[in-house]
Amino acid sequence: GENVEQHPSTLSVQEGDSAVIKCTYSDSASNYFPWYKQELGKGPQLIIDIRSNVGEKKDQRIAVTLNKTAKHFSLHITETQPEDSAVYFCAAVGNTGNQFYFGTGTSLTVIP
Amino acid sequence: GAVVSQHPSRVICKSGTSVKIECRSLDFQATTMFWYRQFPKQSLMLMATSNEGSKATYEQGVEKDKFLINHASLTLSTLTVTSAHPEDSSFYICSARDPQGPGEQYFGPGTRLTVT
Repeated sequence: GENVEQHPSTLSVQEGDSAVIKCTYSDSASNYFPWYKQELGKGPQLIIDIRSNVGEKKDQRIAVTLNKTAKHFSLHITETQPEDSAVYFCAAVGNTGNQFYFGTGTSLTVIP
Repeated sequence: GAVVSQHPSRVICKSGTSVKIECRSLDFQATTMFWYRQFPKQSLMLMATSNEGSKATYEQGVEKDKFLINHASLTLSTLTVTSAHPEDSSFYICSARDPQGPGEQYFGPGTRLTVT
């Protein structure tokens, strides 16, 4: 089965700096890679996603890059704000669309 | 994006009792819903896949007789934790897949279950 690794497990940045979270996956059949933000006591919220036919996607301060050859993808948050503080999960999804394999999460703290 | 609701958000029950958690897709019909369990500071663990009109598919190690799943309509799936024990205390999250979309899963807000 698929194995998703996520690094770092914790990340602290100063407000205004950038944050980068990286994930690797093992199954070359995975073709959809969503990122979720989870605030304390709440369910995960989809913040951005990328499919295997695209190398990069950007939505305002958030961007995701995908390297299919190396089987890794990354989340980039620029101009971080305190409200970006949360746990972020990456996931890799196979072509059935049902089986989501989640990373172990990154706890991001943005220091004002 | 699509909205998924869960009810209740928090529940406290006594050992030996059963608890039902509801998951609803509010603005789309979900033929497939998923139930996850999450321990503090850990990732989401898929418990089962709930298919409308058919039996749920449980992940290895999840007791189907303890965690009863019913997906009776295209907008509602329920998870019943039967004969709850303190070790069942956890954060339970459902998600739903919009069949009209390209494959995203939308998560509910979660249910915090505490068994005393």
